[in-house]
Amino acid sequence: KNEVEQSPQNLTAQEGEFITINCSYSVGISALHWLQQHPGGGIVSLFMLSSGKKKHGRLIATINIQEKHSSLHITASHPRDSAVYICAVSLAGNLIFGKGTKLSVKP
Amino acid sequence: DTAVSQTPKYLVTQMGNDKSIKCEQNLGHDTMYWYKQDSKKFLKIMFSYNNKELIINETVPNRFSPKSPDKAHLNLHINSLELGDSAVYFCASSPGTSGGPQETQYFGPGTRLLVL
Repeated sequence: KNEVEQSPQNLTAQEGEFITINCSYSVGISALHWLQQHPGGGIVSLFMLSSGKKKHGRLIATINIQEKHSSLHITASHPRDSAVYICAVSLAGNLIFGKGTKLSVKP
Repeated sequence: DTAVSQTPKYLVTQMGNDKSIKCEQNLGHDTMYWYKQDSKKFLKIMFSYNNKELIINETVPNRFSPKSPDKAHLNLHINSLELGDSAVYFCASSPGTSGGPQETQYFGPGTRLLVL
């Protein structure tokens, strides 16, 4: 069983929809990362958080340490948001990744 | 100006060969990493390294070794390549102020390795 579980695995949305991707983990962590992998393969770090909430443009990330759960929200989704979104947790010098959520936003 | 660069972008080689992938960062960061993304797109950390400490993921075969000539470079050497080594390898860096992967990661573009 993976220590980091993401849901859904695949997500198709219409342009403009509000999107939520979830990440649950089973161990105590020092930080949680949300990454975006573009269709071309490049990886970009979106957020790194250890508590509360962070916002960057149309992206919002939240984390609940007690419930061991994080969500990534995308408001007013756009086709250019189509990518794989990966959750990863920092634990004792290691970084453990979820399997990713493939998002496709249709115009 | 590329922040984290890797060469080569593509690498096709025969089983049993020894190869290296180079990584350079111009961000002034103290910590660098190597990650492997397998055919199912699953990422795993292989190494994290700063000028004080090398942390090795225990699942990494000892055929893989990081070499750092200076803090801006972390090259990955792979000996006796096997079919299962085929993957995309990503280099990354982080500031290193708090150490380790609890910092924001800056990724290179990846090196696609195919072992025949």
